[in-house]
Amino acid sequence: DGGITQSPKYLFRKEGQNVTLSCEQNLNHDAMYWYRQDPGQGLRLIYYSQIVNDFQKGDIAEGYSVSREKKESFPLTVTSAQKNPTAFYLCASNPLGTGGVETQYFGPGTRLLVL
Amino acid sequence: AQTVTQSQPEMSVQEAETVTLSCTYDTSESNYYLFWYKQPPSRQMILVIRQEAYKQQNATENRFSVNFQKAAKSFSLKISDSQLGDTAMYFCAFMKLKAAGNKLTFGGGTRVLVKP
Repeated sequence: DGGITQSPKYLFRKEGQNVTLSCEQNLNHDAMYWYRQDPGQGLRLIYYSQIVNDFQKGDIAEGYSVSREKKESFPLTVTSAQKNPTAFYLCASNPLGTGGVETQYFGPGTRLLVL
Repeated sequence: AQTVTQSQPEMSVQEAETVTLSCTYDTSESNYYLFWYKQPPSRQMILVIRQEAYKQQNATENRFSVNFQKAAKSFSLKISDSQLGDTAMYFCAFMKLKAAGNKLTFGGGTRVLVKP
């Protein structure tokens, strides 16, 4: 089955700790994205990548880092510099260059809680 | 920068009836895409419908249709014959045409409750 997987489903972070959220897709999509969703709010873009070994900051990149070493994978690290990391994190992907609307498809999300 | 506003935090509707969700956006762009996404209690984001701004015809997908008013920068979603499975958060989203990164800008969402 093709799709986007995120792990873990729930993640707990201690003060001062870095944690990494996994996002994998087998859709052969070029572009991948990370969004943050706070309770009762819409999604905000953290980082995105259109090609391997390249990524761009979104609207709320401070306190986060990413890598894109493989086309299928786009892990997000929440660093200790992110002072309010409790949120729901969604990964998305879409193909590029199809000539049409590149609709983004989403993974099931990871809920991050601070202990 | 683009902004997307959903003015209705919550709406309820009886099963089999129709509900309309409003969305307005602010942009100086002339070519763009608009989307409605559904987020059920599972929190999975699911595409409901999309609209290209250069198309005058309103998009439809089964029981879901939009009323796109480009001059008014309005993009409402109509859910006909509401079903219990339509209970979810609904998000309106904007994307610039061929923008670097295909970034989506989301509204704050409208919670829809379908009552039996």
